[in-house]
Amino acid sequence: DGGITQSPKYLFRKEGQNVTLSCEQNLNHDAMYWYRQDPGQGLRLIYYSQIVNDFQKGDIAEGYSVSREKKESFPLTVTSAQKNPTAFYLCASSDRAFYNEQFFGPGTRLTVL
Amino acid sequence: EDKVVQSPLSLVVHEGDTVTLNCSYEVTNFRSLLWYKQEKKAPTFLFMLTSSGIEKKSGRLSSILDKKELFSILNITATQTGDSAIYLCAVEAEGSARQLTFGSGTQLTVLP
Repeated sequence: DGGITQSPKYLFRKEGQNVTLSCEQNLNHDAMYWYRQDPGQGLRLIYYSQIVNDFQKGDIAEGYSVSREKKESFPLTVTSAQKNPTAFYLCASSDRAFYNEQFFGPGTRLTVL
Repeated sequence: EDKVVQSPLSLVVHEGDTVTLNCSYEVTNFRSLLWYKQEKKAPTFLFMLTSSGIEKKSGRLSSILDKKELFSILNITATQTGDSAIYLCAVEAEGSARQLTFGSGTQLTVLP
């Protein structure tokens, strides 16, 4: 089955710790994205990557880092510099061949204790 | 800065009602507008609109775009409890980045 997977589904971390969220896709999509969703708000773009070994900051990149070493994988690290990391994180990918219809993973809910 | 505004923020209706969700946008070099439904986790794609005045339809859902007035509406007729979800609107702009800018969503609750 083709799709996007994210792990873990729920994640708890203590303040001051870095944590990495996994995102894998087998859709052969070139582009991948990370969004953050807070209650009552839409999706805000953290980072995106249009091609392997290349990525750009989105609207709220501070306190986050990413890598894109493989086409299938786009992990997101939430660093201790992120002041308010508790949120729902969504990964997406798209073909971008024509229009940018993005397909989403199931999300990871991160809670900082 | 690209901007997408959805209204209302939340809506409560009874089964069988018809609802209209609104999405207005300001974007440089508009390319497309997308509607997503988010029930619990991942948003799922509903429609993509690129041309004014052409209605897209899928079952009880339909959507139309007005590129002159910069808005789109999503209609749901004969609502069912399974329509309860957050409905997200996003716009894509031309250019090398071609990111999606999302609105804050409309929370629809359909009561039995």
